[in-house]
Amino acid sequence: DSGVTQTPKHLITATGQRVTLRCSPRSGDLSVYWYQQSLDQGLQFLIQYYNGEERAKGNILERFSAQQFPDLHSELNLSSLELGDSALYFCASSVGGADTQYFGPGTRLTVL
Amino acid sequence: EDQVTQSPEALRLQEGESSSLNCSYTVSGLRGLFWYRQDPGKGPEFLFTLYSAGEEKEKERLKATLTKKESFLHITAPKPEDSATYLCAVGVVAGANNLFFGTGTRLTVIP
Repeated sequence: DSGVTQTPKHLITATGQRVTLRCSPRSGDLSVYWYQQSLDQGLQFLIQYYNGEERAKGNILERFSAQQFPDLHSELNLSSLELGDSALYFCASSVGGADTQYFGPGTRLTVL
Repeated sequence: EDQVTQSPEALRLQEGESSSLNCSYTVSGLRGLFWYRQDPGKGPEFLFTLYSAGEEKEKERLKATLTKKESFLHITAPKPEDSATYLCAVGVVAGANNLFFGTGTRLTVIP
């Protein structure tokens, strides 16, 4: 157990819908990262937050957004969902901005 | 462009048959090289961080080494429970603090 928690574990929804994925980092970690893992691609970095502020962006679509709250938990919002958004979404956390990242168990999103 | 390549894509070993997994990287400046283990449908589990060429780290049957161009994950006398996908990732000095992941080596250890 890494200490990073993610909810829900599974999410099934329809195209065009909007969902919110939630992540709680390890105690003491200030950085949260979101990654997407689909079958045909490896882990792809989406976005990083550090102590409530956006720190870095990767290949995140405009339909996706995230935020980190004062208690350091983070939410990833996915809207206007398409079939191709079906994937595993992982959250990771680290103490600072450049330390080892510890991953949560993931949320499996299925868009029908 | 920063790149991470892992080989082989898949590896089948008999229990007790030692082998090595390779991770080649091309980055502008290496901040660290990370090895993770991932079981199907689960999150990556951290194994090692290596920071400089010549560094080695060990944990049970696993040993990770680092050169200026590549890293190896040596598996000694593997057991069936070592079956998993092993992911290599690099952190880059300049720019964002995210990790660039390879596509992994899927290891199967046969009893």
